[in-house]
Amino acid sequence: DADVTQTPRNRITKTGKRIMLECSQTKGHDRMYWYRQDPGLGLRLIYYSFDVKDINKGEISDGYSVSRQAQAKFSLSLESAIPNQTALYFCATSDAGRADTQYFGPGTRLTVL
Amino acid sequence: GENVEQHPSTLSVQEGDSAVIKCTYSDSASNYFPWYKQELGKRPQLIIDIRSNVGEKKDQRIAVTLNKTAKHFSLHITETQPEDSAVYFCAGRSTDSWGKLQFGAGTQVVVTP
Repeated sequence: DADVTQTPRNRITKTGKRIMLECSQTKGHDRMYWYRQDPGLGLRLIYYSFDVKDINKGEISDGYSVSRQAQAKFSLSLESAIPNQTALYFCATSDAGRADTQYFGPGTRLTVL
Repeated sequence: GENVEQHPSTLSVQEGDSAVIKCTYSDSASNYFPWYKQELGKRPQLIIDIRSNVGEKKDQRIAVTLNKTAKHFSLHITETQPEDSAVYFCAGRSTDSWGKLQFGAGTQVVVTP
């Protein structure tokens, strides 16, 4: 869905580096999510935000932080990247009035060496 | 919290045959169960969903059934076609986690000609 975008799409970094993944949406949705996808583990929730002032930890938040700069922007940071954070990261959005369907961004493939 | 288990992890079917993927959930308060399809290299996209007040829902060749007593739900794909090859994720949402989905581990479906 072209209305949810992620940058960068691919990133290779080294252990210990700080990295930021960015998500933007033009859907006007209040709710935004960050997921991590690993083979055989499905989609696991890292952080979610129900509005600009509301940020919550998901099931695997350790080692990650987020910032909701505006309704349309939600960034995920790895303060000190480690190899087991190598994964495919997805941002998603949903409408608070109808918080059912989640719309995913194209994903960011992150490799930590 | 909710826990969703999905089986099988891989499913190979011959074109034209039916495919069935099953998921079980742990939280009896869960009331919304979507299915997402992720084609190779693409983002997950919602294909069908069901709420706890109905037992079955159909959309052309796909259908979802829900058994609240047994706490399981299934995706049925009839007359499979090569474009049905993808990873399918089930998910559940509890009434106390509005907007938050718990995803299953995914099923890789391969449709062979």
